[in-house]
Amino acid sequence: NAGVTQTPKFRILKIGQSMTLQCTQDMNHNYMYWYRQDPGMGLKLIYYSVGAGITDKGEVPNGYNVSRSTTEDFPLRLELAAPSQTSVYFCASSYRESSYEQYFGPGTRLTVT
Amino acid sequence: GQNIDQPTEMTATEGAIVQINCTYQTSGFNGLFWYQQHAGEAPTFLSYNVLDGLEEKGRFSSFLSRSKGYSYLLLKELQMKDSASYLCAVLDSNYQLIWGAGTKLIIKP
Repeated sequence: NAGVTQTPKFRILKIGQSMTLQCTQDMNHNYMYWYRQDPGMGLKLIYYSVGAGITDKGEVPNGYNVSRSTTEDFPLRLELAAPSQTSVYFCASSYRESSYEQYFGPGTRLTVT
Repeated sequence: GQNIDQPTEMTATEGAIVQINCTYQTSGFNGLFWYQQHAGEAPTFLSYNVLDGLEEKGRFSSFLSRSKGYSYLLLKELQMKDSASYLCAVLDSNYQLIWGAGTKLIIKP
């Protein structure tokens, strides 16, 4: 059981470039989430999904897009990268939304220069 | 607005007890979580409280008072490996987690 896996671990992008952050979970969880974590700040929810084919915006969705074609995969797309998107990105999953803990992937450290 | 407050940093001695406080103001309340995050790693779940009172789990305990919008995480018999950030998060009325900025706990020998 690998849990939640994310690729890549690190990436440097130039301003205006695009990329996709991959996230996969093998726990058959319905709910999946993308967060960003800036230094000294709490986690901010970018997008979330309650099941395959269903996605919704979180607190900070601008500049990002997601899709959920399968239960396992929840990729995050950055279009036209900007320095403000320099952050650590965490993908997480949970069985449901209420009392169930979220399991986090190891994170992707992204720098946009 | 929604707000979660925790101290930025705390220092404690190995073998001692430390209490990390969290106060919150959110739109609705469906539970409060504590997570531990070691530097450069992902957060990992520690505890969940939805009713008032104390939940004990080994060396870690978590307390909740919904009327006061207050929680604390109590760590006993501190070990060096407890050096980490401790994140408080509240599940709001939309079942979204609102996260505090975290408390960095430094353990000294």
